[in-house]
Order: sequence, then structure tokens, then C-alpha cells
Amino acid sequence: QQQVKQSPQSLIVQKGGISIINCAYENTAFDYFPWYQQFPGKGPALLIAIRPDVSEKKEGRFTISFNKSAKQFSLHIMDSQPGDSATYFCAAAYMSWGKLQFGAGTQVVVTP
Amino acid sequence: EAQVTQNPRYLITVTGKKLTVTCSQNMNHEYMSWYRQDPGLGLRQIYYSMNVEVTDKGDVPEGYKVSRKEKRNFPLILESPSPNQTSLYFCASGRDSTDTQYFGPGTRLTVL
Repeated sequence: QQQVKQSPQSLIVQKGGISIINCAYENTAFDYFPWYQQFPGKGPALLIAIRPDVSEKKEGRFTISFNKSAKQFSLHIMDSQPGDSATYFCAAAYMSWGKLQFGAGTQVVVTP
Repeated sequence: EAQVTQNPRYLITVTGKKLTVTCSQNMNHEYMSWYRQDPGLGLRQIYYSMNVEVTDKGDVPEGYKVSRKEKRNFPLILESPSPNQTSLYFCASGRDSTDTQYFGPGTRLTVL
């Protein structure tokens, strides 16, 4: 019962382009939406996170857009670089629940 | 250095032979969790612990046990491993489920 659905499964983008990854959730109690980045052979690491009281959060080239009414959030990677090639996971949680639900992941390849 | 350590990093075993994967964190985090990562399925939570002596099931707890006798350690126990438990396992810790999760380096387990 995957509560967070992520798309696409994979993405190829040219250097300098924009990568967009989308996630949708069902549980309206979720109040924390992080994105994790994972390089081959490593554990995931937090990239950026948002709470539902804001519609957008930007950190450098990475932006989360959040649409509470549609129960969707997305990650935009601007000016994509080869070093951004990794697997990206969205996730959702709420504090009193204790669980952290991850999407299935998106493999991003940035070509030179 | 703040970190989450897991041991062993790689393990090949046979069906039915009990094993333990250790996890330790040095960040004084209350929350710890175990995940398994399988291709196409993303990260699925096995068990989590909100604090010492408090553990709860994640989405895929069957065949696994955990204990949290002290804050820094959260071992994962497979009493009778089966081939469908062949996977990449990650331990993570954070202040709570809605805070940054710090992941360990992963343990690749193969059950023959």
C-alpha cells in the first residue's frame, strides 16, 4: 500500500536542462515532505524538505513545489549538472505517526 | 564525526541461519529506523523506534525483529532468513520522523 507515488521512474536530461520529478500522496495528515538524493553505493542523504504551510521552497538549484489541494509535490532541478546524476526519492511523514513513507525513486541521468 | 554505522557491510548467508545487523549512531537521536531497498520498490520501512524501549512495525516487518535497549543502538535481527530477504538494508536516525534522517552506508545481504 504505497502511500507516496513517484514519477517518472527514470529521466535523462541534458546538462543545463531542468529535471522535474513528481510525487502524489493520499494521507492528508502528512506534514513533512522531504526529498533524498542517493548516489551509487551510498545511503540516501537529505536534499531539501518542505512543510505544507508553504507552496514553494528553493535551495540553490533545487526547488520543491507543493500543492496541498491536489496532494502533490515536485522537485525541480534547474541547470542540471552531470554531478546531479543520482536516484531521487520523495517521502512523507507526520510526527505522531512515526513512519516515513518513501516513493519508489527516480533515476536521473544528466548527459554532458 | 556525526555518523550512523552499520555492520557488516556485506553478508552472504544460507536460509535459516540467524543473523544480526548492527546499527549505531553517535548523534544522540531519539528516532531510529530500518529500511530495505529493492529495485523498483524504493525504500520500505521495516521497523522504527521513537525512543528507547519503544519500537513499532513499519510497512514490511514480517521476518524481522528489532530491539532498542539503549539510545545509540538499533540492531536488526533475522531469526530465520529466507531468500526473499535478499536486499540492501539501511539504518537511519533522526530527532524524530519529521526531521532529517541520517542514513548509514547500507548492508547488502544475500540469502542463499
